[in-house]
Amino acid sequence: GAVVSQHPSWVICKSGTSVKIECRSLDFQATTMFWYRQFPKQSLMLMATSNEGSKATYEQGVEKDKFLINHASLTLSTLTVTSAHPEDSSFYICSAVGTGTMNTEAFFGQGTRLTVV
Amino acid sequence: AQSVTQLDSHVSVSEGTPVLLRCNYSSSYSPSLFWYVQHPNKGLQLLLKYTSAATLVKGINGFEAEFKKSETSFHLTKPSAHMSDAAEYFCVVSDLNGNKLVFGAGTILRVKS
Repeated sequence: GAVVSQHPSWVICKSGTSVKIECRSLDFQATTMFWYRQFPKQSLMLMATSNEGSKATYEQGVEKDKFLINHASLTLSTLTVTSAHPEDSSFYICSAVGTGTMNTEAFFGQGTRLTVV
Repeated sequence: AQSVTQLDSHVSVSEGTPVLLRCNYSSSYSPSLFWYVQHPNKGLQLLLKYTSAATLVKGINGFEAEFKKSETSFHLTKPSAHMSDAAEYFCVVSDLNGNKLVFGAGTILRVKS
């Protein structure tokens, strides 16, 4: 199956700093990528949808100025958590959807665990 | 709007016995439904999907699920559990385009030897 790689797998940062998470489709071109977050003992919640070369679409309640998403190429989307606070600590997961025969399934990265101290 | 309810947060079975993970959905249109599995420190893997074809869907690793419209259910089953099946399982419904996914809360499956 197709491979989506997220980096880093885990990160610890200080309050007030920014953290960038990368999501890469390794063997296919991803026209659309999705970013989710998962709080402990809760389900995945969609944060935003990013399409290559255009602005991301954010879900209601997600601050676009805090969670900056860039999808500059067909194989890379980044999520930057700006001015992180402890309440931003969570598990962030991306998924990617390709073109043609690759658009029938969303492929997920392994997730990034962010801890803000 | 679509929603998914996974009825059990934890399920524990003995190796070699059947597995049943329950899922009910709510959708204003004919849904696409999925089951994903997440092993510790690994990404989500698609087990199977229903997209309005056969109501009994067979997936990988011996799992299958049956779409029952009258019961709005999409329960996941496996005849005989294996130790490697221990993981968290998510029932998922998608939007009309099939890409935007709404996840259930997840069910952690424990397999005892």
